[in-house]
Amino acid sequence: GDSVTQMEGPVTLSEEAFLTINCTYTATGYPSLFWYVQYPGEGLQLLLKATKADDKGSNKGFEATYRKETTSFHLEKGSVQVSDSAVYFCALLDNYGQNFVFGPGTRLSVLP
Amino acid sequence: DTGVSQNPRHKITKRGQNVTFRCDPISEHNRLYWYRQTLGQGPEFLTYFQNEAQLEKSRLLSDRFSAERPKGSFSTLEIQRTEQGDSAMYLCASSFGTGNQPQHFGDGTRLSIL
Repeated sequence: GDSVTQMEGPVTLSEEAFLTINCTYTATGYPSLFWYVQYPGEGLQLLLKATKADDKGSNKGFEATYRKETTSFHLEKGSVQVSDSAVYFCALLDNYGQNFVFGPGTRLSVLP
Repeated sequence: DTGVSQNPRHKITKRGQNVTFRCDPISEHNRLYWYRQTLGQGPEFLTYFQNEAQLEKSRLLSDRFSAERPKGSFSTLEIQRTEQGDSAMYLCASSFGTGNQPQHFGDGTRLSIL
């Protein structure tokens, strides 16, 4: 079945450091890919998405590029802030739009 | 857009009792999903509705679990004869359309079984 793998956390960075959170997937067909963020005590919020190969999703300084050849969707940010501390989930939606699969999440802590 | 609303936010109950959660999706959204999330894990899919029709159910959804969306608007998730292992956060999400639209999540209902 479809699956999503993320780098294990926690990831701890200093403010203004560069962030990469790796995400790879296994799926048949052409899934859509998403990053969701969960701040402490809150629900999941969509961060960005990409619906086809080579698409780049971006939002709030975060970016991720849909790489079909490597089945990856790594999340990057050039300069993290303390307010970016949260759990980040990579997810895929199959090409039938029915099966939504999440990775286990990566906890990010940004220190001032 | 008032977002996806879930009630209650927290539920504490004794093992063996029945519990029911409610989800009110974003009003124009025709798809509604239920997930379970345990500590340190990503959400696990439980079931999904398109309008009032329940189109898919996970193997995680045992016979003790039932979900309804009678008028294609709000949905309820009931757990009968609760067990310790049912303790989790239960998340509801909704989306619009039939394609690759992202899901909008509620804040969840945290269930604790004593």
